[in-house]
Amino acid sequence: DIQMTQTPSSMPASLGERVTISCRASQGISNYLNWYQQKPDGTIKPLIYYTSNLQSGVPSRFSGSGSGTDYSLTISSLEPEDFAMYYCQQYDSSPWTFGGGTKLELK
Amino acid sequence: EVQLQQSGAELVRPGTSVKLSCKVSGDTITAYYMHFVKQRPGQGLEWIGRIDPEDDSTKYAEKFKNKATLTADTSSNTAYLKLSSLTSEDTATYFCTTEGNNYAFDYWGQGVMVTVSS
Repeated sequence: DIQMTQTPSSMPASLGERVTISCRASQGISNYLNWYQQKPDGTIKPLIYYTSNLQSGVPSRFSGSGSGTDYSLTISSLEPEDFAMYYCQQYDSSPWTFGGGTKLELK
Repeated sequence: EVQLQQSGAELVRPGTSVKLSCKVSGDTITAYYMHFVKQRPGQGLEWIGRIDPEDDSTKYAEKFKNKATLTADTSSNTAYLKLSSLTSEDTATYFCTTEGNNYAFDYWGQGVMVTVSS
């Protein structure tokens, strides 16, 4: 199975701050990498697909990049609704696997 | 708009089985692969498996092969996850989600909490 390691596991940040979450795969995944946001009420929302493509309706302050084994999600200027959990997910090979998650917290 | 409505919370005894439902509205279920994901309390997301409602073909993560069974009913636009031989390790929230044309999980159910306790 491909292991996905996200860092950091938690990140205190301020409104308006630029933040980057990293995701490393245990082997190359050819950009087959998605990102999701989970709110405290459990609701899960897709953010980015195939490394860098924004899902419909996702604000442009979100962006994704990466290649090979290393990927990242950047939020250019934090809004109040961005404080949540974030997960990366690979779909290069079955079983699809998720990173352990990053909790974005208000500093 | 596509919506996924999952069945209600379950409190079940160890050793028994439970069947969870996920009803798709706003589109036909055959337009998607239906996936199920597990989330233990305070933990991350874990992929269980997926079903193609078009032909009922399934794929499972190895660790769930003897635990989970996925089925689909195209007449009711509903996918099902049956969990058997339940233990405390199965206490979790289970989500259903659709795989879209972009290979991402585009739509998510609200999740259903399963508690295994005697």
